[in-house]
Amino acid sequence: QKEVEQNSGPLSVPEGAIASLNCTYSDRGSQSFFWYRQYSGKSPELIMFIYSNGDKEDGRFTAQLNKASQYVSLLIRDSQPSDSATYLCAVNEDSNYQLIWGAGTKLIIKP
Amino acid sequence: GAVVSQHPSRVICKSGTSVKIECRSLDFQATTMFWYRQFPKQSLMLMATSNEGSKATYEQGVEKDKFLINHASLTLSTLTVTSAHPEDSSFYICSARPSLPGYSYEQYFGPGTRLTVT
Repeated sequence: QKEVEQNSGPLSVPEGAIASLNCTYSDRGSQSFFWYRQYSGKSPELIMFIYSNGDKEDGRFTAQLNKASQYVSLLIRDSQPSDSATYLCAVNEDSNYQLIWGAGTKLIIKP
Repeated sequence: GAVVSQHPSRVICKSGTSVKIECRSLDFQATTMFWYRQFPKQSLMLMATSNEGSKATYEQGVEKDKFLINHASLTLSTLTVTSAHPEDSSFYICSARPSLPGYSYEQYFGPGTRLTVT
């Protein structure tokens, strides 16, 4: 059974600090990794994807992938109260283009 | 780009009736669409994978005769909840995977449909 694991949180971070969200996955053959943000009562929104080892930056967001350790993370710099949400990590499942989802980490940015 | 719409956003129906939810990809074609259900404070649960022109693939434990899925075109998939009961009350969300070069597994989500069965 392929799995994606995240700490459920909540993770509380002061405004302006760096929020670090982590995710581990079980299938060493996974190739595509995604971070989604979900506000309470809303649907998920894709914010980052990464395919290669290393870092990928997009504005205040940086995704980091380490395939050897089967670990993917999301850093949010200069955290804002509007970043308070649940962050979902997802990994490709080869069958029918499905994604395997983590349960999500709830992030709270304190003003 | 990659906008997905879902209709209706909210629906209240009586027990025993059927409800149809539409999912449309507005600016791209999607060979594959997905239907999820999410209960309050719980994670996403994949119900079924819908491929244009073929039968949907349902996840274990999801009744295919109760949750009818039709993916008749490259931009439209529908989910019909038949003979709805209060325990079917949930947040139903669709997503679509662009059938375009350069896209692999990323899914774009509709805004969701909140179903309440009384």
